[in-house]
Parts: sequence; C-alpha cells; structure tokens
Amino acid sequence: SQQGEEDPQALSIQEGENATMNCSYKTSINNLQWYRQNSGRGLVHLILIRSNEREKHSGRLRVTLDTSKKSSSLLITASRAADTASYFCATDRETSGSRLTFGEGTQLTVNP
Amino acid sequence: DTEVTQTPKHLVMGMTNKKSLKCEQHMGHRAMYWYKQKAKKPPELMFVYSYEKLSINESVPSRFSPECPNSSLLNLHLHALQPEDSALYLCASSQDSGRAAKYFGPGTRLTVT
Repeated sequence: SQQGEEDPQALSIQEGENATMNCSYKTSINNLQWYRQNSGRGLVHLILIRSNEREKHSGRLRVTLDTSKKSSSLLITASRAADTASYFCATDRETSGSRLTFGEGTQLTVNP
Repeated sequence: DTEVTQTPKHLVMGMTNKKSLKCEQHMGHRAMYWYKQKAKKPPELMFVYSYEKLSINESVPSRFSPECPNSSLLNLHLHALQPEDSALYLCASSQDSGRAAKYFGPGTRLTVT
C-alpha cells in the first residue's frame, strides 16, 4: 500500500500565484522527498528533507515537515506556466532501506 | 554527466515476444532501481540493485528479469508479458541504496498487445 497521501489531487492556479501541496504519511521516516513529473516522463528530484529538519528552501520552493503530524507541505511561490506538472512526495522509511514509497501525487496546472 | 538514459523510449511487444529495456548512468552511483508506473498513478518499486547485486525484489513476477552487468548498466528482460504489464518503466540511480535522492531516466513506454 502507498505510504503517502497527497492533497489536493488537482490544483489549478494563475501564473504568479503561490501553490501549496500537502502530503501525509503513516510510518516513521528517515527523510521525505518531493519530485516533479512532466507529462508521464521521468521524475525530477526537487528537495529532500530529513526527519530532524522542519523546513527547507530551494529557490522558489519551500518544504515543511511535521513529524508529529506525519505531514509535509510543498510551497511553490510566484508560479510559472512551466511549473505545470505532477508533484509527488516520497517517503524513505526508517526501516525500509532503499524503499522509496510515493504518494498519489498532485496535478498542478498553472494558467498563463 | 547527471543523466540517466533509457532505451528504447517506446516499445510495443506481443505476449510471446522477448525484449529488453536498458538503462545507463555515468554518475558513479552504486544503487540502481526499476520502477513501474501506470497512468495517473505513482511509481511503484520493482527491483533494487546495490553494488551490482540484487538487494530488493518487490515480489515481481518472473516474466520480468533484471540484470546489472556492471555499475553503470541496468537491464530489464521481458518475456511472456501480459497486456496489464503495459506501463511506463522508469530506471533510477542514487549514490547508494540508502537515503539519497534518486535520479530518474525518462522512462520506456511499454505496450503489450
């Protein structure tokens, strides 16, 4: 079964607006990662946040992690049409070794 | 070179065919992965190779046979597939099989007829 659940399943915004996607998971983790996928092609790693970190930034991306609530959020600021893609969170569980388990994903559409 | 390459991009095969998917990386990564992704679903782990040895098989049917000839190459041999095996097959690599970010290839779109 999938470790993560994401909401919303789909998000449509205007260029320049911020986009927030949420991810919840069930078991203890070592780290949580966010990936982007364009049109059913390969996934691109965006950011990795470790279980002892609470917030991380990378360019226009901001990720938060709340291990007490087993949840994470990805904020994309000042969105662009090129940000249109599916976004997946993926958890690396403490006991799983290299089993990266993906959430169901959020389809983000940024309208010009 | 920070790229994972996969060939072919598209593959159509019959249920009696034998074919292979290929994956290559030159980042010096020692862990390589095969994932399967159905339309509008997240990727699902199939196999993990660590230092050229198979370390994880997620109960994948034997009609899928992975091979790691060397640290840069990963193959997935396909035989007697079913139509429900049609999917995007993604290869990935990482610095080790632990907690690192994964680098994904563009995938092979497989259709089984």
